[in-house]
Amino acid sequence: GAVVSQHPSRVICKSGTSVKIECRSLDFQATTMFWYRQFPKQSLMLMATSNEGSKATYEQGVEKDKFLINHASLTLSTLTVTSAHPEDSSFYICSARAAGQGYGYTFGSGTRLTVV
Amino acid sequence: RKEVEQDPGPFNVPEGATVAFNCTYSNSASQSFFWYRQDCRKEPKLLMSVYSSGNEDGRFTAQLNRASQYISLLIRDSKLSDSATYLCVVITGTGGSYIPTFGRGTSLIVHP
Repeated sequence: GAVVSQHPSRVICKSGTSVKIECRSLDFQATTMFWYRQFPKQSLMLMATSNEGSKATYEQGVEKDKFLINHASLTLSTLTVTSAHPEDSSFYICSARAAGQGYGYTFGSGTRLTVV
Repeated sequence: RKEVEQDPGPFNVPEGATVAFNCTYSNSASQSFFWYRQDCRKEPKLLMSVYSSGNEDGRFTAQLNRASQYISLLIRDSKLSDSATYLCVVITGTGGSYIPTFGRGTSLIVHP
């Protein structure tokens, strides 16, 4: 089945530094990748939708200059949290849909970010 | 009103019990619906799609009621391994651009 590889799975960084999260579709082409954030006991909140070769579409309230998304190829999308602060600590997950998967979405394994 | 609403629970049931969850959605133009399962600190995994005619997969039955704008998930003969959070997902969009929106999830705890 369709697989999305996400890494790192866990990262601890100092406040003010930047962190890059990668998501790769291993056996399919992901023209669209969704980036979500999940705080403890909360739902997955869509942050942005990235389309290969174009600018990402950010949800209301998500700072595009803080959360940089790059979707340079059909198999790789990255999310960079710039100048991270403790309130950015969260579980970040990417998701993509493979052709032939109907409307089902495959998720990466998630990245747990802790900013200290 | 939130786009997708679920009772967060937790639903605490004994093994062998039958349990049902509902999920309501606000956008009547939503096209597709799914149930996902998420284990603690893990990524969500697709459990099943939800069709207007209803669909069944073993002990799991999903139904869609478009008139009342809700979907349901029924789990029969609950197992300990069913303990997880169940997320409903509603797909909305047009012109090839579809956005999945997640409910907050319903927590299920199955005890011996």
